Amino acid sequence: GAVVSQHPSRVICKSGTSVKIECRSLDFQATTMFWYRQFPKQSLMLMATSNEGSKATYEQGVEKDKFLINHASLTLSTLTVTSAHPEDSSFYICSARGSSGRTDTQYFGPGTRLTVL
Amino acid sequence: GENVEQHPSTLSVQEGDSAVIKCTYSDSASNYFPWYKQELGKRPQLIIDIRSNVGEKKDQRIAVTLNKTAKHFSLHITETQPEDSAVYFCAASRGGTYKYIFGTGTRLKVLA
Repeated sequence: GAVVSQHPSRVICKSGTSVKIECRSLDFQATTMFWYRQFPKQSLMLMATSNEGSKATYEQGVEKDKFLINHASLTLSTLTVTSAHPEDSSFYICSARGSSGRTDTQYFGPGTRLTVL
Repeated sequence: GENVEQHPSTLSVQEGDSAVIKCTYSDSASNYFPWYKQELGKRPQLIIDIRSNVGEKKDQRIAVTLNKTAKHFSLHITETQPEDSAVYFCAASRGGTYKYIFGTGTRLKVLA
């Protein structure tokens, strides 16, 4: 149980384009989803927290107009990187927590490796 | 702001030996402390967690201890095996927000 999927697993795009990443909880309803980015050999840095049906809460220093988050249902959240630039290249990972059982625990997706040329 | 320090950054042990990774958190309201294992290019996987009302928890070869007074918690892996080689992250979470503050990670190498 508690499986989170992410799509795509890898994407390469040109500078200036937008990229959408999907995060789905497959076998549970995700009250909250989180988006992280991870640079090589570094820790996970929280970008934003999203609750179904409400606006995402962004961490300090994360541009909300650049990283658009939509949490349209209890099983789906999307992150859109708008006008991507090479410095946005990173490993983006989502996580989800459920509304019952182990509500403290975050279950992570497999990540999306974004390369901006 | 909230901070979690993790040591060491790298750790090499011989197969069969024990490994200990230590974390210190700053937010005294933190009440949930998970540990994740991440292999290269893969998702973080929860290996053990502890809540603030418990001082120690064990699951086979893995144990976690928590000292709330000192705001320290540690991961202990006994009888290490090569497949334990990975990066381990500790995290601290404050009840109600469910946000994690992650440590900087420890790269564990188990030498056969």
